[in-house]
Amino acid sequence: DSGVTQTPKHLITATGQRVTLRCSPRSGDLSVYWYQQSLDQGLQFLIQYYNGEERAKGNILERFSAQQFPDLHSELNLSSLELGDSALYFCASSSGAGKSNEQFFGPGTRLTVL
Amino acid sequence: AQSVAQPEDQVNVAEGNPLTVKCTYSVSGNPYLFWYVQYPNRGLQFLLKYITGDNLVKGSYGFEAEFNKSQTSFHLKKPSALVSDSALYFCAVRDTGGFKTIFGAGTRLFVKA
Repeated sequence: DSGVTQTPKHLITATGQRVTLRCSPRSGDLSVYWYQQSLDQGLQFLIQYYNGEERAKGNILERFSAQQFPDLHSELNLSSLELGDSALYFCASSSGAGKSNEQFFGPGTRLTVL
Repeated sequence: AQSVAQPEDQVNVAEGNPLTVKCTYSVSGNPYLFWYVQYPNRGLQFLLKYITGDNLVKGSYGFEAEFNKSQTSFHLKKPSALVSDSALYFCAVRDTGGFKTIFGAGTRLFVKA
């Protein structure tokens, strides 16, 4: 158990809908990262927050947004969902934002868009 | 641009034999390299990292990795494979700015009893 929690574990929804994925980092970790894992794209970095501030952006679509709250939990919002958004979404956390910090991953949220 | 390549989709090895999972990278500046493992229906777990210093890095579960600057490689190794090592292994590099982590496509390791 990494100490990172994600809810829900599974999510099934329809195209055009909006969903929110939630992540609680390990106790004391200030950085939160979001990743999308799919069979065709592999593991793609979406976005990173450090202590409430956006730190880096990866291949995140305009339809997706995220935030990190004062208690350090984070939410990833996915809107106008398309079939291609079906994937496993991981949250990870680390103690700092630096290059040397390894990340601790949550169990993921499996999103299915029908 | 930074990149990571894992040239093998799958590696097959018999239990008790040594294993190697290959990784090559391309970064400007000093590389910060990581290996993670993913078991079925689980998140990734950190195995080891190279930041600086000794080229041979030791990590969790008996794994180690050898950093080779001239060959821009960071191969994961284990002297004696276990069936329980069967999983998906990812090599990763932090980009020059330090904020993005770029993962390889992953290599599936299958250890046969």
